[in-house]
Amino acid sequence: QVTLKESGPVLVKPTETLTLTCTVSGFSLSNARMGVSWIRQPPGKALEWLAHIFSNDEKSYSTSLKSRLTISKDTSKSQVVLTMTNMDPVDTATYYCARMTDSSRGGWFDPWGQGTLVTVSS
Amino acid sequence: QSVLTQPPSVSGAPGQRVTISCTGSSSNIGAGYDVHWYQQLPGTAPKLLIYGNSNRPSGVPDRFSGSKSGTSASLAISGLQAEDEADYYCQSYDSSLSGYVFGTGTKVTVL
Repeated sequence: QVTLKESGPVLVKPTETLTLTCTVSGFSLSNARMGVSWIRQPPGKALEWLAHIFSNDEKSYSTSLKSRLTISKDTSKSQVVLTMTNMDPVDTATYYCARMTDSSRGGWFDPWGQGTLVTVSS
Repeated sequence: QSVLTQPPSVSGAPGQRVTISCTGSSSNIGAGYDVHWYQQLPGTAPKLLIYGNSNRPSGVPDRFSGSKSGTSASLAISGLQAEDEADYYCQSYDSSLSGYVFGTGTKVTVL
């Protein structure tokens, strides 16, 4: 059974750096055609893709947030880490990690973690 | 900011058929990239409903079907049930953004 679980702080202050960890089980982060993305959802709003790391360690970022994001993985620990710098109240959201099955015509996300709500407030 | 546009809401009586549109552009759906659909029940994480435009993962009822044409895609729910009340999102890849994009989301209400 494939599962993903997010962990990290529930509250961060403006200007601080957010670090989130996604711990996966049931598959290896080195599996071909498999990767992990981070996706967020502000309260009552739509989903927004943030970043992705492929099995070969290639990385991809949302163009609008690229300067603030870093994604990395530790295959031995089955963990994917996302850091987001200079947090602002508008970054308040539920942050999800999800496994992506890659395809030449664009991959899909399945399954998803349960999500973790991060609030940005002083 | 979503680049795939969906109607904010659709509704139908139990047993009816409803469709949700997902309109993109020449850099995503129109460029030949696949469309995938997710169902998000209240207070839960999204769940894959349709992948590769029209394929259902194991366990998804055949009441759900997907299609794609030109720069748009559609999700149809036939035989609408109370348990189908949820938010639905389409997703694709955008070559101009070099990243993955989601739709604006559609809330399905069962009357």
